[in-house]
Amino acid sequence: AQSVSQHNHHVILSEAASLELGCNYSYGGTVNLFWYVQYPGQHLQLLLKYFSGDPLVKGIKGFEAEFIKSKFSFNLRKPSVQWSDTAEYFCAVNSTGANSKLTFGKGITLSVRP
Amino acid sequence: DADVTQTPRNRITKTGKRIMLECSQTKGHDRMYWYRQDPGLGLQLIYYSFDVKDINKGEISDGYSVSRQAQAKFSLSLESAIPNQTALYFCATSEAGTGSAGELFFGEGSRLTVL
Repeated sequence: AQSVSQHNHHVILSEAASLELGCNYSYGGTVNLFWYVQYPGQHLQLLLKYFSGDPLVKGIKGFEAEFIKSKFSFNLRKPSVQWSDTAEYFCAVNSTGANSKLTFGKGITLSVRP
Repeated sequence: DADVTQTPRNRITKTGKRIMLECSQTKGHDRMYWYRQDPGLGLQLIYYSFDVKDINKGEISDGYSVSRQAQAKFSLSLESAIPNQTALYFCATSEAGTGSAGELFFGEGSRLTVL
């Protein structure tokens, strides 16, 4: 079974700072990778996803993530955060099997100071 | 209108009571899921259903049951609620398919408090 590890529980940044949130997964086969975001008081929504091809994927709101297969990592990045990026961020993985289910990490809370 | 609708949005109940959380979707997806979210624990899968006749236990199914009444409806029941079931519950849907199955569409959540 797959698992996901997110290393920091709470990250605090000032506006315009650069962001990198770590995500590592454990699974021996081919995977699909996702980042979801949950803004305060809202439901989760998809930020970006990687299925195959270019390991650098771009998502909404200026976010991007890079899949490094040798490191089993899928870190999320943004060059310059805004106050509105304050949210909880979840990394998730599923295997490429037909009946696979999504496994979430525990989430990272990002607080951006105005 | 939301594509995935959960009712109730908030519920306070007492230990031992039976509670049902309902989920309906207009996305036409075959797959539906129930997750619970606890601070610091992320999302844990309770039950999932890949079609109307398919029900599967997730990571934390004890104390819960589900019913898939139709493609569009998937309800979660707590037969006898206990305080450690206090949490935020999310329903989600997805298409079938290896990649699409990971792209979940979530409802707004149902906050349950068990006293």
